[in-house]
Amino acid sequence: EVQLLESGGDLTQPGGSLRLSCAASGFAFSSFAMGWVRQAPGGGLEWVSGITGSGVSTFHADSVRGRFTISRDNSKNTLFLQMSSLRAEDTARYYCAKYGDVFTGYHVDIWGRGTQVTV
Amino acid sequence: EIVMTQSPATLSVSPGERATLSCRASQSVSSNLAWYQQKPGQAPRLLIYGASTRATGIPARFSGSGSGTEFSLTISSLQSEDFAVYYCHQYNNWPRGTFGQGTKVEVK
Repeated sequence: EVQLLESGGDLTQPGGSLRLSCAASGFAFSSFAMGWVRQAPGGGLEWVSGITGSGVSTFHADSVRGRFTISRDNSKNTLFLQMSSLRAEDTARYYCAKYGDVFTGYHVDIWGRGTQVTV
Repeated sequence: EIVMTQSPATLSVSPGERATLSCRASQSVSSNLAWYQQKPGQAPRLLIYGASTRATGIPARFSGSGSGTEFSLTISSLQSEDFAVYYCHQYNNWPRGTFGQGTKVEVK
């Protein structure tokens, strides 16, 4: 079964740091791009960061660029999001997302259950 | 940034009735459009990708259509488990995909 399990969310002060992790199982992790999508309380979905399967290329939304860093360890099937200089507006549930591929398209085909970050 | 606009914000429908949700893109996204369903306290779930392809395990009562800038999701006969919030998502300029603000389908 394909599964994504996030951890690392917490209550922290403005200016603080957190590191989110996402443990993947059930698929060839290194073959797929991955990302983080967040949802503020009562709000919609917002793309945060993305990374290619190899980890060579990373991308961040303007709202988090310079503060958040996405990375992955393909030997451990784990995705990370290092968050620093946190602000109140970063308060959200953070979802780990697996993307499709060049054949099916780069939609999110698998979502984790999310981890709550409160600043 | 491509802006996705969903309408209506809330759709009140009786069980068994048909529901049609709309999503408009500020510029063409070709067929790179997905729909997700989200229930309270749960993660989103993929329903449709490529504008019209049902994801694995999704019932046939869900169908998607459109291309370019205009898209729709139709639920042919609403079941009790279909009352939820639905989001469209363009991934034409991956990874900078953008989501619509959501349509809540509620019981009439």
